[in-house]
Amino acid sequence: DTAVSQTPKYLVTQMGNDKSIKCEQNLGHDTMYWYKQDSKKFLKIMFSYNNKELIINETVPNRFSPKSPDKAHLNLHINSLELGDSAVYFCASSQDPRAGGEYFGPGTRLTVL
Amino acid sequence: AQSVTQLDSQVPVFEEAPVELRCNYSSSVSVYLFWYVQYPNQGLQLLLKYLSGSTLVKGINGFEAEFNKSQTSFHLRKPSVHISDTAEYFCAVSRNYGQNFVFGPGTRLSVLP
Repeated sequence: DTAVSQTPKYLVTQMGNDKSIKCEQNLGHDTMYWYKQDSKKFLKIMFSYNNKELIINETVPNRFSPKSPDKAHLNLHINSLELGDSAVYFCASSQDPRAGGEYFGPGTRLTVL
Repeated sequence: AQSVTQLDSQVPVFEEAPVELRCNYSSSVSVYLFWYVQYPNQGLQLLLKYLSGSTLVKGINGFEAEFNKSQTSFHLRKPSVHISDTAEYFCAVSRNYGQNFVFGPGTRLSVLP
């Protein structure tokens, strides 16, 4: 069983569209995260949710919104996609909210045309 | 705002040789420290973390790191590397339960036969 899964693996879309990336973890962890890795491999944390409450928001544009229907899921919704949103997005989870991500999903490569 | 410096963007080393990947951070408060590894065309994996306690932290795959508060460093070491250790390594720092979580730019470790 995959500990942290993401769908889709690849996402190609036009500027201005709205898209979502789904993330699920089956580890029973209390905290989930979203990270962005740009084309230069630079990593940035975007959000984390602990027991369905947002505890980090690293000045990400409000076009990005995390949605957590339950403790096992943290989806990322992006409105009005821009070229600069092209990146790989990783979901992660951890039991300890201090720990950053301990288990990572395989990533979603988003390409905005 | 805190920052993370990884002085070496690339480190080539021969198989079975020791390696040290350097990480320095800037912060005037207590921090949590992390090392992540990203194998070619794969996702992220947590190697080790320092949250509190012993300053020498042991991680997976034979890696260890030492937290040095006076030098604000958290260097990663392995006494004998394998070809399979070829990857990108990211140092990260956070404080106050995951706030201001910042990654370094990464160090590409290439293990040569």
